[in-house]
Amino acid sequence: EVQLVESGGGAARPGGSLRLSCVASGFKFEDHGMSWVRQVPGKGLEWVAGLNWNGDTTGYADSVKGRVSVYRDNAKNSLYLQLDILIDEDTALYHCARGRGYGLRNGFDIWGQGTMVTVSS
Amino acid sequence: EIVLTQSPGTLSLSPGERATLSCRASQNVTNNYLAWYQQKPGQAPRLLIHGASRRATGVPDRFSGSGSGTDFTLTISRLEPEDFAVFYCQQYGSSPLTFGGGTKVDI
Repeated sequence: EVQLVESGGGAARPGGSLRLSCVASGFKFEDHGMSWVRQVPGKGLEWVAGLNWNGDTTGYADSVKGRVSVYRDNAKNSLYLQLDILIDEDTALYHCARGRGYGLRNGFDIWGQGTMVTVSS
Repeated sequence: EIVLTQSPGTLSLSPGERATLSCRASQNVTNNYLAWYQQKPGQAPRLLIHGASRRATGVPDRFSGSGSGTDFTLTISRLEPEDFAVFYCQQYGSSPLTFGGGTKVDI
């Protein structure tokens, strides 16, 4: 079964850090660009960051640039999102999403159920 | 960044009716790299359309996408009860990738 499973969310203080992980199964991970998309409960979707199949091309939303790093380990079929200098507005459900192709710029055909990040003092 | 504006915000229709959803971009979407997603409560989004008009695998043919440049449309020819949800457009022609604010289709 093609699947993406996120982990690493939780509660954090403003200014703190979290590392989110996404493990892929059921497909050849290195054939796809990957992204993180977040959603505040009850609100819309926001692309956060993404990368191409081997990680040498990355992209970030303006709202997180400089505070977030996305990377992958193809040997472990895993995608990561390092969130630093957390702010209240980072509170959201973070989805891992598979791109349809190799590149960074893709539509997303497989989504994980997400991991919740809550930033609060 | 490209801003996507979806309209209307809410569309109230009945099963069997036709739904027409609009997505307008603040600038041309490169290569018409525009996708549509459906999201039901408590679920992850589901890809319906990519490349403005190409149905994703397993998507019923009552869903169709059209448009180019800055104006795109998702049409549901005859609404089924399971179609009521929130629909989002997304452009992936340039980085940062962006989503529209969504259109809720309800009864």
